[in-house]
Amino acid sequence: GAVVSQHPSWVICKSGTSVKIECRSLDFQATTMFWYRQFPKQSLMLMATSNEGSKATYEQGVEKDKFLINHASLTLSTLTVTSAHPEDSSFYICSARWRVAHEQYFGPGTRLTVT
Amino acid sequence: SQELEQSPQSLIVQEGKNLTINCTSSKTLYGLYWYKQKYGEGLIFLMMLQKGGEEKSHEKITAKLDEKKQQSSLHITASQPSHAGIYLCGADIVGSQGNLIFGKGTKLSVKP
Repeated sequence: GAVVSQHPSWVICKSGTSVKIECRSLDFQATTMFWYRQFPKQSLMLMATSNEGSKATYEQGVEKDKFLINHASLTLSTLTVTSAHPEDSSFYICSARWRVAHEQYFGPGTRLTVT
Repeated sequence: SQELEQSPQSLIVQEGKNLTINCTSSKTLYGLYWYKQKYGEGLIFLMMLQKGGEEKSHEKITAKLDEKKQQSSLHITASQPSHAGIYLCGADIVGSQGNLIFGKGTKLSVKP
């Protein structure tokens, strides 16, 4: 299957700082990338959908000014958690899809801890 | 109410036994995806089903989508410790523009 990478795999930051997480599709062009959040022992919650070259579409309840998403190329999307707080600590997973009705491939996830 | 119900929530089986995990949607599906996740790791794509009545197999794992495209089952034959993990179904619901909604997952433990 296709490979999606995420970087970093884990990060610890201080409250009030910003953190950027990268998501890359390594062997295919992803017209759409998705960002999910997962709390311990819970399922994935979709945060936003981004299409290359256009603004991300955020799910209800997700602050777009706090979670900045950029999908500048067909192989790279970034999620920036701005002014992070301890409640933002979570496991963030991205996925990428070539086009609608095709498989979504997931990255390995990024564990964010805000102290 | 939950749009996607996955059952059971957890399952403990003896190695070598068969097992089935179910995923039921309250809405018609465009597609149904099965993934496996180990705690704290990403999701591994297993199978995608799109046609009513479709069945796919990979090694000892078989997934089916019913004719009405609202229910799917994942069946593991002769389970092994390597099958242990969390199985998630993801539904591409008609009208959702390809965004997946996930079930809560089934935690599978296989006793050697």
